[in-house]
Amino acid sequence: DSGVTQTPKHLITATGQRVTLRCSPRSGDLSVYWYQQSLDQGLQFLIHYYNGEERAKGNILERFSAQQFPDLHSELNLSSLELGDSALYFCASSVASGGGGNIQYFGAGTRLSVL
Amino acid sequence: KNEVEQSPQNLTAQEGEFITINCSYSVGISALHWLQQHPGGGIVSLFMLSSGKKKHGRLIATINIQEKHSSLHITASHPRDSAVYICAVSRGGADGLTFGKGTHLIIQP
Repeated sequence: DSGVTQTPKHLITATGQRVTLRCSPRSGDLSVYWYQQSLDQGLQFLIHYYNGEERAKGNILERFSAQQFPDLHSELNLSSLELGDSALYFCASSVASGGGGNIQYFGAGTRLSVL
Repeated sequence: KNEVEQSPQNLTAQEGEFITINCSYSVGISALHWLQQHPGGGIVSLFMLSSGKKKHGRLIATINIQEKHSSLHITASHPRDSAVYICAVSRGGADGLTFGKGTHLIIQP
């Protein structure tokens, strides 16, 4: 058990809908990273939050947004969903905000199916 | 060309064999990570290294910064080692990891 909790484990929804994925980091970790894993693109970095502030954006679509709350949990919001958004979404947490590289602890992922 | 390349993409071996998975990268990095992903989907961090060599049980990871190359070795492989092994790099700053496409390893009894 990594100590990172993601909910829900599975999500099935329809095109055009909006969903929210939730992530609770390990106790004491201030950084939360969101990643998308799809069959064609593999694992891609989406966005990074540190202690409530956005620190870096990767290949995140404009239809997607995220935030990190004062209790350090994070939510990834996906809107106007398309079939191609079907993927595994992981969050990972680490103690610090990058720099020299920090071990990231991954949650079990949320499997999103858009029908 | 991907910034992180792994080889082989697929590897099937017999139990007990010595396994090597290779990773090359073309960008400046602050650290290189080896991750393991089991069929259930969960990802576990095996190693993070920025120089030299690290060992944990039957797993050994090495990195050559000058050649921009890393290897993951598994000694005395076992069917429970069957998984996807993913190489990823930290590029410094606040960006997340950049991943290779993974090596799908199957160890047959």
